Amino acid sequence: RKEVEQDPGPFNVPEGATVAFNCTYSNSASQSFFWYRQDCRKEPKLLMSVYSSGNEDGRFTAQLNRASQYISLLIRDSKLSDSATYLCVVTWAGGFKTIFGAGTRLFVKA
Amino acid sequence: ETGVTQSPTHLIKTRGQQVTLRCSSQSGHNTVSWYQQALGQGPQFIFQYYREEENGRGNFPPRFSGLQFPNYSSELNVNALELDDSALYLCASSVTGQEKLFFGSGTQLSVL
Repeated sequence: RKEVEQDPGPFNVPEGATVAFNCTYSNSASQSFFWYRQDCRKEPKLLMSVYSSGNEDGRFTAQLNRASQYISLLIRDSKLSDSATYLCVVTWAGGFKTIFGAGTRLFVKA
Repeated sequence: ETGVTQSPTHLIKTRGQQVTLRCSSQSGHNTVSWYQQALGQGPQFIFQYYREEENGRGNFPPRFSGLQFPNYSSELNVNALELDDSALYLCASSVTGQEKLFFGSGTQLSVL
């Protein structure tokens, strides 16, 4: 089993749609969780951290369920500019071990 | 811009050759991690350097090696290149105890 697994995608959605990405992790000692965004052949960029209490940044909402070892990202009112690959990231050992999921590709169409 | 710079941006090598990739970390960042990203995959952790020592390593053979310098910049060396080494190599800097990574724009390596 992979340490971090994501929905394989791709997701094709119209503008204005709501889309949800799921991610599971296998290491129960995992400490911190993030979503990164990666545009085609560019470097990943931090989108947001993920907390057990849930956190929101504009149209983006992230949620963590430690008991189920599950992370989610919800994007509301999708824009064309949201088209990218979304990477689920899990860290432990004080940040000295960081594992990326394979990513889920999102295409938002007009 | 993250302040993390990588060089070169693109590189073409042939099987069996050796390559050195370079990374300058963001000011104030003392930890550098290297990742390999094949097409359609997520970044795979190669190793991490902290205080000029290798501080963790992923599932990569010994022909992948690295260095960190006193100014926290870093090099990734790959010997005896194989076709499967063709990938985007990403460097990320961070501050010890802070887990957010700041990536450079990467080096695209093609092995022919």
